[in-house]
Amino acid sequence: GAVVSQHPSRVICKSGTSVKIECRSLDFQATTMFWYRQFPKQSLMLMATSNEGSKATYEQGVEKDKFLINHASLTLSTLTVTSAHPEDSSFYICSADTGRNSPLHFGNGTRLTVT
Amino acid sequence: SQQGEEDPQALSIQEGENATMNCSYKTSINNLQWYRQNSGRGLVHLILIRSNEREKHSGRLRVTLDTSKKSSSLLITASRAADTASYFCATAAFTGTASKLTFGTGTRLQVTL
Repeated sequence: GAVVSQHPSRVICKSGTSVKIECRSLDFQATTMFWYRQFPKQSLMLMATSNEGSKATYEQGVEKDKFLINHASLTLSTLTVTSAHPEDSSFYICSADTGRNSPLHFGNGTRLTVT
Repeated sequence: SQQGEEDPQALSIQEGENATMNCSYKTSINNLQWYRQNSGRGLVHLILIRSNEREKHSGRLRVTLDTSKKSSSLLITASRAADTASYFCATAAFTGTASKLTFGTGTRLQVTL
């Protein structure tokens, strides 16, 4: 089946630094990937839609200069949290689209802690 | 923005009992999907039901969809302790060739021995 690998699974960084999270589709190509954010015991909030070879589409309220998304190939999308602050601490999850009326395939998420 | 509301928010049952979770949404959909999430992990797809379908089964899972009421339900029969997880419904809207999902608030299911 379709496997999505997300790395790292956990990261702790200091306030003001940047963190890059990678999302790879291992055995299929993903033109579109989605990035979600999840707070403890809450649902997933869509942050942005990442399209291979073009600019990401951000949801309302998501700062595109803070959450940089790059989808340079059909198997890799990256999310960079720039100048991280403690309020950016959260669980970030990527998913890859395999077409209409098909389920999304999710990575295992990245727990980001900003100190 | 959050599309779906799920109820109950939390459900505690004993092993062997059935668990029913409900999901309501607000706008038109192309399909509705149910996912499971173990604590601190990614999501696992359970069932996808298209907007023109009314019921779907997969093993111990049964999903219904009522587009006139904009609601869906997930039934897990003969629950097991391993079913303990959070369950989310997600409504799909097509964007180009992709499918954009909006997740519900989730139900935390606890199955005790």
